[in-house]
Amino acid sequence: EDQVTQSPEALRLQEGESSSLNCSYTVSGLRGLFWYRQDPGKGPEFLFTLYSAGEEKEKERLKATLTKKESFLHITAPKPEDSATYLCAVHIGGSEKLVFGKGTKLTVNP
Amino acid sequence: NAGVTQTPKFQVLKTGQSMTLQCAQDMNHEYMSWYRQDPGMGLRLIHYSVGAGITDQGEVPNGYNVSRSTTEDFPLRLLSAAPSQTSVYFCASSSVAGGLTDTQYFGPGTRLTVL
Repeated sequence: EDQVTQSPEALRLQEGESSSLNCSYTVSGLRGLFWYRQDPGKGPEFLFTLYSAGEEKEKERLKATLTKKESFLHITAPKPEDSATYLCAVHIGGSEKLVFGKGTKLTVNP
Repeated sequence: NAGVTQTPKFQVLKTGQSMTLQCAQDMNHEYMSWYRQDPGMGLRLIHYSVGAGITDQGEVPNGYNVSRSTTEDFPLRLLSAAPSQTSVYFCASSSVAGGLTDTQYFGPGTRLTVL
């Protein structure tokens, strides 16, 4: 069964304290891995797409990396405005479907 | 571009009532989909469409109907609402290139409560 697991479920950081979020997956064929940010009461906002192992993408304080079994979202020197739930989703080969993880709720305290 | 829009933003129904959640996109995307988001469950795919006139079931299709008569619109119909359908519903759309869908963009959601 195709599965996407995110850890930790919740993470509390102090402003400036760097850390990483994990997304591990077991799927029959990976066509792409997506990271989204979701603020309370809003829809998921697209951050990154990764297609192959070794690929990396950066945006401001965020950097996403991909291996054959997992992806990391690294947050460098986070600010309170980075507080949100971060969702990982996997696009499975031979399918038009996305499988989502349950998300990591990040809180950055000033 | 407005992107993906959804109406209504909030809705309260009684058990057994029917209603349609509206979704529209102005990006000329071929692919559109509906998800529901429940606490502790993550986003789950209900139905999707790869173009006008073509729809298919996702992970949790029971109790929901869809149709796609235009590229822009993809309404979700609840035939006889049940308390188990209380959830937040998101519509998403994506372009298709070379037969493959790309990044999905989400609407702001509809929060539905069934009493």
